[in-house]
Amino acid sequence: DIVMTQSPDSLAVSLGERATINCKSSQSILNSSNNKNYLGWYQQKPGQPPKLLIYWASTRESGVPDRFSGSGSGTDFTLTISSLQAEDVAVYFCQQFFNTPITFGGGTRVDIK
Amino acid sequence: EMQLVESGGGLVQPGGSQRLSCAASGFTFRNSWMYWIRQVPGKGLVWVSSIDYDGSVTMYADSVKGRFTISRDNAKNTLYLQINSLRAEDTAIYFCGRVGVAGVINLWGQGTLVAVSS
Repeated sequence: DIVMTQSPDSLAVSLGERATINCKSSQSILNSSNNKNYLGWYQQKPGQPPKLLIYWASTRESGVPDRFSGSGSGTDFTLTISSLQAEDVAVYFCQQFFNTPITFGGGTRVDIK
Repeated sequence: EMQLVESGGGLVQPGGSQRLSCAASGFTFRNSWMYWIRQVPGKGLVWVSSIDYDGSVTMYADSVKGRFTISRDNAKNTLYLQINSLRAEDTAIYFCGRVGVAGVINLWGQGTLVAVSS
């Protein structure tokens, strides 16, 4: 199974500042045939199901604000919130869909400093 | 509005069984692969099972293989998870999810809590 490791476990950022979350896979999740990274990012607020933010490592889902961006390739990936808003307080998960079983990172909690 | 609504959770004794349902609406259910994902409250997300468009392909996590059965009824727009021989470690919120591009989950239900305890 591909192990997804997120860091940090939690972070606190001032409103309007940048938040950066890292995700590392135990093997490459880049498909060389289509040059796509099989990685998604989700946001989960308390008492709610996760919400898809990004897929293919950097493609924003429809309706997701452009302050959310994804980057990286191969085994190392980053989710960036360029200007943290109060409504962004949540836990963020990465997920690989390169092969079965799909696996998730352990989550990163983002709070306001 | 696209929606998934789970039901069937509750308190179950160890060794017991439960049938979870996930009712889909607002999209063409038969065109979607579907997942069950579970989450211990406050913890991470764990894939449980997958099913293809017509139920001919099913996959399971090793931890549930032989105990859980995923199925679907496209005429009723409903996904199911039959869970048997329940253990304490199966206690979790069970989410159903629609599979989007390649394998991400682009629509989630609200979840149903299964608690296994004597």
